[in-house]
Amino acid sequence: LAKTTQPISMDSYEGQEVNITCSHNNIATNDYITWYQQFPSQGPRFIIQGYKTKVTNEVASLFIPADRKSSTLSLPRVSLSDTAVYYCLVGDPLYGGATNKLIFGTGTLLAVQP
Amino acid sequence: EAGVTQFPSHSVIEKGQTVTLRCDPISGHDNLYWYRRVMGKEIKFLLHFVKESKQDESGMPNNRFLAERTGGTYSTLKVQPAELEDSGVYFCASSQVSSSNTGELFFGEGSRLTVL
Repeated sequence: LAKTTQPISMDSYEGQEVNITCSHNNIATNDYITWYQQFPSQGPRFIIQGYKTKVTNEVASLFIPADRKSSTLSLPRVSLSDTAVYYCLVGDPLYGGATNKLIFGTGTLLAVQP
Repeated sequence: EAGVTQFPSHSVIEKGQTVTLRCDPISGHDNLYWYRRVMGKEIKFLLHFVKESKQDESGMPNNRFLAERTGGTYSTLKVQPAELEDSGVYFCASSQVSSSNTGELFFGEGSRLTVL
């Protein structure tokens, strides 16, 4: 299972775009890149998942370069409520019988200020 | 639709006592996972059920931990006897993988265990 590396923390202000980059040099061919968000006293919550190029949903965008050794989560116009820990994980979600266990790193604590 | 629910939300026990944590997954989810975060550490995988069968229990720390999922519905995680280092937050997650979804895990809010 590929390990990921991401910044420990980031600061931003309301209304700004935030980009959190994650490196995963040992990503495997079948691995997808998934981001989870966690608020204090809650469990992690799925944000977005992608395999290559760009994925966008109502919450965020995920940019993945051709070599897939890194990825960037982009949060448009953040608000105070986006203050949370963001985890980047890689793995094969359609595991075909094996365990889809997630390997959590330290995550990135995003602090959004007024 | 109800999400993953965990009980109790917080448990305080003394070293040597027994605690049982319960997880009710989302209805219809065959996959159920237990994770935990101990103080200052990262969230770690404990084990994975597919229906009532243990698919992977490689993360269980030792034989003081026993997880069950009788009938393939809710699951319990028993710690007996509890030690100080067992303090932390225990998360349960469930999923239902198909070719048309992302395989995302739905987490509960966690059960905080404090061992004194």
